[in-house]
Amino acid sequence: QVTLKESGPALVKPTQTLTLTCSFSGFSLSSIGMRVSWIRQPPGKALEWLARIDWDDDKFYRTSLKTRLTISKDTSKNQVVLTMTNMDPVDTATYYCARGSYKGFDIWGQGTMVIVSS
Amino acid sequence: DIVMTQSPDSLAVSLGERATINCKSSQSVLYGSDKKNHLAWYQQRPGQPPKLLIYWASTRESGVPDRFSGSGSGTDFTLTISSLQAEDVAVYYCQQYYSTLAITFGQGTRLEIK
Repeated sequence: QVTLKESGPALVKPTQTLTLTCSFSGFSLSSIGMRVSWIRQPPGKALEWLARIDWDDDKFYRTSLKTRLTISKDTSKNQVVLTMTNMDPVDTATYYCARGSYKGFDIWGQGTMVIVSS
Repeated sequence: DIVMTQSPDSLAVSLGERATINCKSSQSVLYGSDKKNHLAWYQQRPGQPPKLLIYWASTRESGVPDRFSGSGSGTDFTLTISSLQAEDVAVYYCQQYYSTLAITFGQGTRLEIK
């Protein structure tokens, strides 16, 4: 059974750096073709893809956020980490990690809500 | 980036009736090498993460009831629920993964019971 679970702080202050961890099981990110993405959803709004990391350590970022995002993986721990610098109240959202495949995103975590406020 | 536009923004349908949601992409998502439309549909119930319903525009994900179907090609796509059930109340999103470096979603369509 494939599962993903996001973890991180529920509250960050403006200008701080957010670090989120996606812990997964049921697949290996070292297997050819595997990839994990981060997607966020501001309250009441649509989904927004942020970043992706592939089995071969290729990394891709949303163009508008590229300078603020870093994605990395620890294959031995089955974890993917996303950092976002210079947080702003507009970054308040539920952050999801999801497994990517030829189907799109076939398995999602439950999400973690992050509020940016002083 | 490819812009995905859904219509309508919200929809109210009676139980047992058909619900239709449209999605239009700003450019074709038909991939030349595999001749497949890289378009997926998701269902998001309140307080839940999105759930994959349809991929390649018309292939139902395992376990998804057959009342859900997807159609279309190129830039115009449709999600149809043939007989609305109470548990289908949700927001539905289309998503293109043609441009894998810039995956984009539609704005969502809220489906309610009339």
